[in-house]
Amino acid sequence: EADIYQTPRYLVIGTGKKITLECSQTMGHDKMYWYQQDPGMELHLIHYSYGVNSTEKGDLSSESTVSRIRTEHFPLTLESARPSHTSQYLCASSEWGGNEKLFFGSGTQLSVL
Amino acid sequence: QKEVEQNSGPLSVPEGAIASLNCTYSDRGSQSFFWYRQYSGKSPELIMFIYSNGDKEDGRFTAQLNKASQYVSLLIRDSQPSDSATYLCAVIYFGNEKLTFGTGTRLTIIP
Repeated sequence: EADIYQTPRYLVIGTGKKITLECSQTMGHDKMYWYQQDPGMELHLIHYSYGVNSTEKGDLSSESTVSRIRTEHFPLTLESARPSHTSQYLCASSEWGGNEKLFFGSGTQLSVL
Repeated sequence: QKEVEQNSGPLSVPEGAIASLNCTYSDRGSQSFFWYRQYSGKSPELIMFIYSNGDKEDGRFTAQLNKASQYVSLLIRDSQPSDSATYLCAVIYFGNEKLTFGTGTRLTIIP
C-alpha cells in the first residue's frame, strides 16, 4: 500500500544532541516537504525538495538541514538540538503537476529538554 | 496582512446542520485552493480542492470559490460529530509552487 512514513513518532532528547527525523514515501512522488507545527498553530514550511539532489529552504528559518539522495527518502537533521526546537514535524509529498495535493505522514513530536 | 486568513473559531454547529467555513486570500494571482482537515494530534488530510470559480461538490462537502472577491468557502452538510476538527485553507499562487496555509478554523459539532 502506497504511503508516507515518519519515524520516530515521538522523541524526547537532551539539549546538544544530534537527531535525524526519518521520512519515506512509497508513492513515487518527486516533491517532498517538511513542515513544523506547534499546537493550535499554523503549518510552517521549513524545507522542500523537487527531486533527487534538490533541496530548498522554506518560508520559516530553521537550523535543520535535509538531504534527498533517493526519491523515496527525505530525512531532516538537527546537528545540536535546543529546547526551541520542540515542536511537531510533519513530512509530506506530492506529484509533479499535482497542484500540491499533499499527502502527510503521521508526524514526529520532538521534545528537547 | 496574512496571505491566507481564516477565523480561528471555535465554530460550534449543531449535529445535522450546515457548517460554513470561510477563507480569504490576499493575492489575485492565485491558482488553486485546497481544504485540509486535521483532527487533534493528527496530520492534515486533503478533503477538497477547487480551481475554478463556482461550486464543487463531493458528498456532504461543497467548496465555493469566488476569485473576484478573493474568498473560498467550505460547506459541510448534515454535520456529524466526526466532522469536529480543524479545517485548513491553503492556496497556491502563480509562480510559487508551494502551498500557503491559513491558521485553520476549529469546528465543533454539538450532538
